[in-house]
Amino acid sequence: SQKIEQNSEALNIQEGKTATLTCNYTNYSPAYLQWYRQDPGRGPVFLLLIRENEKEKRKERLKVTFDTTLKQSLFHITASQPADSATYLCALSTGTASKLTFGTGTRLQVTL
Amino acid sequence: GAGVSQTPSNKVTEKGKYVELRCDPISGHTALYWYRQSLGQGPEFLIYFQGTGAADDSGLPNDRFFAVRPEGSVSTLKIQRTERGDSAVYLCASRRTGEETQYFGPGTRLLVL
Repeated sequence: SQKIEQNSEALNIQEGKTATLTCNYTNYSPAYLQWYRQDPGRGPVFLLLIRENEKEKRKERLKVTFDTTLKQSLFHITASQPADSATYLCALSTGTASKLTFGTGTRLQVTL
Repeated sequence: GAGVSQTPSNKVTEKGKYVELRCDPISGHTALYWYRQSLGQGPEFLIYFQGTGAADDSGLPNDRFFAVRPEGSVSTLKIQRTERGDSAVYLCASRRTGEETQYFGPGTRLLVL
């Protein structure tokens, strides 16, 4: 069956460091992969999308890589800030109109 | 409004009761999705509408769950004979045709006692 794995344990890092979150998947051939941020009591907020034929995408302090051979995406936040503390969700889809299949999310805590 | 809105924000009901959850998508978005999120988990797909029709309802867990979108805008998720296991956050998302990004609402927190 399809499976998407994200670090289940919280990631604690110091302000200013780079946070790296991992998303691994099995039994899936996604057309694209998305990363969302979710704060407590709120709905997910879209951050970045990367397509299967793209290796890397950047937006301000965010960077996503996508390796379809390893079946893995890495999500980086550089110069992290306490305001970056949230849960980050990885989501895969087989096409534009298709449902999103989410991982369980990784909670990031950035401390001073 | 500017974003997806959902009402009510919280709903407490008793086992066996009927509930309706409402979603107002972003204006002009023809695609609408319902997801369910349990504590500590990612959202799980329930149903997808393109316009007025349900294009994919493969995520509905059983026939107690039903959703409608009669005019291609607002959608209502209906749950009959609620069970304690239905307790979760129900999320709605909308998407503009031709784009990949789904925009989520704040969710309705359903608690079945």
